[in-house]
Amino acid sequence: AQSVTQLDSQVPVFEEAPVELRCNYSSSVSVYLFWYVQYPNQGLQLLLKYLSGSTLVKGINGFEAEFNKSQTSFHLRKPSVHISDTAEYFCAVSVLRGYSTLTFGKGTMLLVSP
Amino acid sequence: NAGVTQTPKFQVLKTGQSMTLQCAQDMNHNSMYWYRQDPGMGLRLIYYSASEGTTDKGEVPNGYNVSRLNKREFSLRLESAAPSQTSVYFCASSVTGTGSTGELFFGEGSRLTVL
Repeated sequence: AQSVTQLDSQVPVFEEAPVELRCNYSSSVSVYLFWYVQYPNQGLQLLLKYLSGSTLVKGINGFEAEFNKSQTSFHLRKPSVHISDTAEYFCAVSVLRGYSTLTFGKGTMLLVSP
Repeated sequence: NAGVTQTPKFQVLKTGQSMTLQCAQDMNHNSMYWYRQDPGMGLRLIYYSASEGTTDKGEVPNGYNVSRLNKREFSLRLESAAPSQTSVYFCASSVTGTGSTGELFFGEGSRLTVL
């Protein structure tokens, strides 16, 4: 079975500063990797995904993530955050089994202050 | 473009009452899922339906039942609600088979409080 560890439960940062949200995964087979974002009182929406190919993946709202197979990591980054980026971010991993086997990390709350 | 629609969005129950959460998707997805979200716990899978006519337990199925009514609809039932079932419930759907990546499409959630 696969698992996901998000190393920080909360990350406070000032507006316009860079941020990195860390994610490590464990799986005995090849995986697909995802980052989802959840704004307050809303559902989850896809931020970006890694399926194959280039290890640097760009997503919506200026976020990007880098897949590192040797370190089993998929850290999320943004060079300059905005107040509106305040949200909870979930890393997730999936293995192919015909249907989704998405396993989520426990989430990282990004708190952006002025 | 509705995507995944859940009803109700909010519900307050007393211990022992029953209720059903409804979910419908209009993306022609074969697979559907119910998750619960609790603070500090992330999302945990309750039940899923890989295809119409099948349902399987996820990580935390106790106290819940599901019905895959047709390809579009997947309901979650609490037969005798307990305070431990106070949570936010999310329905999701996904593509199945060739080309599937496991990506889930979520509804906006149903916030349930059990007193």
